[in-house]
Amino acid sequence: DSGVTQTPKHLITATGQRVTLRCSPRSGDLSVYWYQQSLDQGLQFLIQYYNGEERAKGNILERFSAQQFPDLHSELNLSSLELGDSALYFCASSGRRMTEAFFGQGTRLTVV
Amino acid sequence: DQQVKQNSPSLSVQEGRISILNCDYTNSMFDYFLWYKKYPAEGPTFLISISSIKDKNEDGRFTVFLNKSAKHLSLHIVPSQPGDSAVYFCAASGVSGTYKYIFGTGTRLKVLA
Repeated sequence: DSGVTQTPKHLITATGQRVTLRCSPRSGDLSVYWYQQSLDQGLQFLIQYYNGEERAKGNILERFSAQQFPDLHSELNLSSLELGDSALYFCASSGRRMTEAFFGQGTRLTVV
Repeated sequence: DQQVKQNSPSLSVQEGRISILNCDYTNSMFDYFLWYKKYPAEGPTFLISISSIKDKNEDGRFTVFLNKSAKHLSLHIVPSQPGDSAVYFCAASGVSGTYKYIFGTGTRLKVLA
């Protein structure tokens, strides 16, 4: 158990809809990262937050947004969903030194 | 622009032998490198890491080697066990600058009993 909790584990929704994925980092970790893995491909970095502020951004679509709340949990919002958004979405967290990141179990999103 | 590359999508090794997984990177700003192991339907699990000030780090059966001049790192698993069968990702980050972890595309290791 990495200590990073993601909910829900599975999500099936229709095209055009909006969903919210939730992540609780390990206790004490200030950084949260979001990654997308499509079809057994690599992990694509989406966005990083550190102590509530956006720290780094990857190839995140404009339809996607994220935030980190004062209690350090984070949410990834995906809107106007398309079939191609079907993927595993992983959240990871790291401590103040930002060396290794620890991953949650992921949310499998299926857009139909 | 793939800054971290794992050119071997798969590797098969006999149980008890050495597994060598390779990774190349292009960005000289990276100064911290990590290996993760991933089983199907699970999140990646941190395995071992190395700072750019070192050229080797060892943890039990796992050793990571870093060749900065070649921008290359490798993970050695000795001896390989069937339970090591998984997808292995290398990742790089520039903790002194950019903080995001950039991952390679992964190598699927199969250890044959």
